[in-house]
Amino acid sequence: AQSVTQLDSHVSVSEGTPVLLRCNYSSSYSPSLFWYVQHPNKGLQLLLKYTSAATLVKGINGFEAEFKKSETSFHLTKPSAHMSDAAEYFCALILTTDSWGKLQFGAGTQVVVTP
Amino acid sequence: ETGVTQTPRHLVMGMTNKKSLKCEQHLGHNAMYWYKQSAKKPLELMFVYSLEERVENNSVPSRFSPECPNSSHLFLHLHTLQPEDSALYLCASSQGAGRTYEQYFGPGTRLTVT
Repeated sequence: AQSVTQLDSHVSVSEGTPVLLRCNYSSSYSPSLFWYVQHPNKGLQLLLKYTSAATLVKGINGFEAEFKKSETSFHLTKPSAHMSDAAEYFCALILTTDSWGKLQFGAGTQVVVTP
Repeated sequence: ETGVTQTPRHLVMGMTNKKSLKCEQHLGHNAMYWYKQSAKKPLELMFVYSLEERVENNSVPSRFSPECPNSSHLFLHLHTLQPEDSALYLCASSQGAGRTYEQYFGPGTRLTVT
């Protein structure tokens, strides 16, 4: 069975320092992988996606993620955190065999940014 | 209005009530989705509609009844809900139904069942 595991439920970083959010996946086939962000009282916004092209994916707001098949990981990074990055982040996958865009989400990582 | 809108934003209902959640997308998309976000479980897909046809029903109880009258509107009809159905219900749309299409989410309806 396929699944997504976000290894940290909470991450606290200082403004201006790097951010690392960890995501591992389990799937029989190489999936499409996504990172979404959810600010309070808002819907989810797509940060970036991997769909079997370049393994290093650049997204919006300075975020990027690297697909590592050997490690079944898709960790999200940002070189320098901003106060506006405080939010909840979700890693998700869609199976290659899926016909309908069925996103499967991890449990989420709450990011706190301190001044 | 732009993007994906949802009404109401907050809803409190008793277990014997009947209510409906509404979603509207202004993006010209052909696929729409309902997701449930509970406090203690990951976001989970409930239903997928592609070109107004339901193509996915993720083992959702019959007390949740979706309706997609056209490609811009999606409803979730609720009746005889349980307290464990209290959650944030998110609607999303995409240009097509498939893994390469980005899903755009609405802000959600916060549902409380008393």
